Amino acid sequence: QVQLQESGPGLVKPSQALSLTCTVSGDSLMNDNYYWVWFRQHPEKGLEWLGFIFYTGTTYYKESLRSRISISVDTSKNQFSLNLRSLTAADTAVYYCARESGRGASDVWGRGAMVTVSS
Amino acid sequence: VLTQSPATLSLSPGERATLSCRASHVVDSYFLAWYQQKPGQAPRLLIYDISKRAAGIPARFSATGSGTDFTLTISSLEPEDFAVYYCQHRDNWPPSGTFGQGTRLEIK
Repeated sequence: QVQLQESGPGLVKPSQALSLTCTVSGDSLMNDNYYWVWFRQHPEKGLEWLGFIFYTGTTYYKESLRSRISISVDTSKNQFSLNLRSLTAADTAVYYCARESGRGASDVWGRGAMVTVSS
Repeated sequence: VLTQSPATLSLSPGERATLSCRASHVVDSYFLAWYQQKPGQAPRLLIYDISKRAAGIPARFSATGSGTDFTLTISSLEPEDFAVYYCQHRDNWPPSGTFGQGTRLEIK
């Protein structure tokens, strides 16, 4: 059974950077059938696609976040990570990692990590 | 941009639910998916490639569509179906994803 688990700080100060890690079990990040994706959901709001990475390290990001976001992969630990810089209160959200089939559908999701940006 | 309608749908168990997702431009790939989300939970994939049910999804869930108009239908609502439903399109190139704002399906 494939499982994803997000980990990282729950509280980050404005202007600082957020680093979240997604640990994958039951599948290999080197599985070339999948992309590894980050989403977020603002409180009581809809879902937002942030970007994804392929095991080769190829990344694609949401255009409006391109200057602040990076996603990386550590295949030795079977983890991929999200780094989001220059945080503001508008980045307060639940962050999800997920596995995407390469056809735009994410079939396995982590449980989500709540991140609050506040001083 | 994906626009879902209605924003809220109030129905009773056993009734048929029809949810709409309209794209602002023609969707030029099959990368259209539907998700169900319950409070405090991650989204659950229901449909991919416009009309294919994901593993373990009951047959009462079906979906169709092409071009700019897509529909998710739940043929006979079960109590566990009351949730928020999102459509998602992922552009093929450059890769990027977009969600509709969601339809809340509530018990009447």
